[in-house]
Amino acid sequence: GAGVSQTPSNKVTEKGKYVELRCDPISGHTALYWYRQSLGQGPEFLIYFQGTGAADDSGLPNDRFFAVRPEGSVSTLKIQRTERGDSAVYLCASSPDWNTGELFFGEGSRLTVL
Amino acid sequence: GDSVTQMEGPVTLSEEAFLTINCTYTATGYPSLFWYVQYPGEGLQLLLKATKADDKGSNKGFEATYRKETTSFHLEKGSVQVSDSAVYFCALSSAGGTSYGKLTFGQGTILTVHP
Repeated sequence: GAGVSQTPSNKVTEKGKYVELRCDPISGHTALYWYRQSLGQGPEFLIYFQGTGAADDSGLPNDRFFAVRPEGSVSTLKIQRTERGDSAVYLCASSPDWNTGELFFGEGSRLTVL
Repeated sequence: GDSVTQMEGPVTLSEEAFLTINCTYTATGYPSLFWYVQYPGEGLQLLLKATKADDKGSNKGFEATYRKETTSFHLEKGSVQVSDSAVYFCALSSAGGTSYGKLTFGQGTILTVHP
């Protein structure tokens, strides 16, 4: 499809487990963002990639969270030693360039940590 | 730090009613302002934006004016339709030269329009 694709759409895991969430951005979009949305709240910024490099990771809550984008396209958000408080919808968005606030969001990956 | 405050919801209206969703912000410098909308079962999408004071963003009959003196960006529509039922998010970007895509969102307002 032409939009931002995120997999899995739902992930249920146990406390302490490792999780990977994948984002496939719109073809040609150089900027990629991860946000986290808790129930009843707006999305919160986690990390931004311009090309392959993380240009701003100031929103990552702690060192259990890590994201990569090795070839400048697909990105993976990795969460180690998951905690119940990590339960949320993780949103990926892409944009044609850094200088626009028009982000194209995927439908999100809902993570539930039991 | 930057913050966005939206009117508390949910908002329930009859078709053809007038809609206002209030949004105020706190930010350093001169932020860009946005309204994003999330329709049921879909991802967030940009509805409209304004990048400087007194700019008016508009799209699909929705309007919002960037008011620097009141730090507001209220969303309005003169006649809502059932298809406008969605969650609306006000957002700002003050990152400027680093990334306009680093957005600060409000908590969202659920709008339900009845026939």
